[in-house]
Amino acid sequence: DGGITQSPKYLFRKEGQNVTLSCEQNLNHDAMYWYRQDPGQGLRLIYYSQIVNDFQKGDIAEGYSVSREKKESFPLTVTSAQKNPTAFYLCASSTGQGYYSNQPQHFGDGTRLSIL
Amino acid sequence: AQKITQTQPGMFVQEKEAVTLDCTYDTSDQSYGLFWYKQPSSGEMIFLIYQGSYDEQNATEGRYSLNFQKARKSANLVISASQLGDSAMYFCAMSPATGTASKLTFGTGTRLQVTL
Repeated sequence: DGGITQSPKYLFRKEGQNVTLSCEQNLNHDAMYWYRQDPGQGLRLIYYSQIVNDFQKGDIAEGYSVSREKKESFPLTVTSAQKNPTAFYLCASSTGQGYYSNQPQHFGDGTRLSIL
Repeated sequence: AQKITQTQPGMFVQEKEAVTLDCTYDTSDQSYGLFWYKQPSSGEMIFLIYQGSYDEQNATEGRYSLNFQKARKSANLVISASQLGDSAMYFCAMSPATGTASKLTFGTGTRLQVTL
């Protein structure tokens, strides 16, 4: 079945450590996104990518980095510069085609990141 | 900048009854898209329904319908014949119409509890 796979489901980070969250999709979507969700809040956009080898900062990019070397993959690195990384991270993708952006985003199951 | 407001932190509805979840938005764009997503306790985001700003008819998808009032800048979700499986968080979101990636701005969500 086509979909988005995020791994791991749970992740723990030590102080000063970088960690990488994986996101893979087999939907042949051009656009991919990373969101952060804090308890009781909606999703906030961290980074997004419209095509391979290109990505843009979202609303809360500080302390995060991404790469888009393959169409299927959009890993997110939470760096030690992110002082409050504990959150639920969701990856999404969409066809991203057309001037009128009416294509829904399809989401993975998320990764819960906690500080040790 | 776009903003979504969901003023109902929690709602209760009896099984088989209809319920309306409120969503108001603010944008200076003439063209935009409005989305509703469902988030069960497991965490994944499930796309429910879409409404374009130039669509003259309210969107419907099975038991879901979107009550779109452009002049009031509201896009309320109506769930008919509620089921126990409808218990979840519901998020309203909007995207600009320009560009190939549908960057979403989310509200803070409404937690719906369906009771017997």
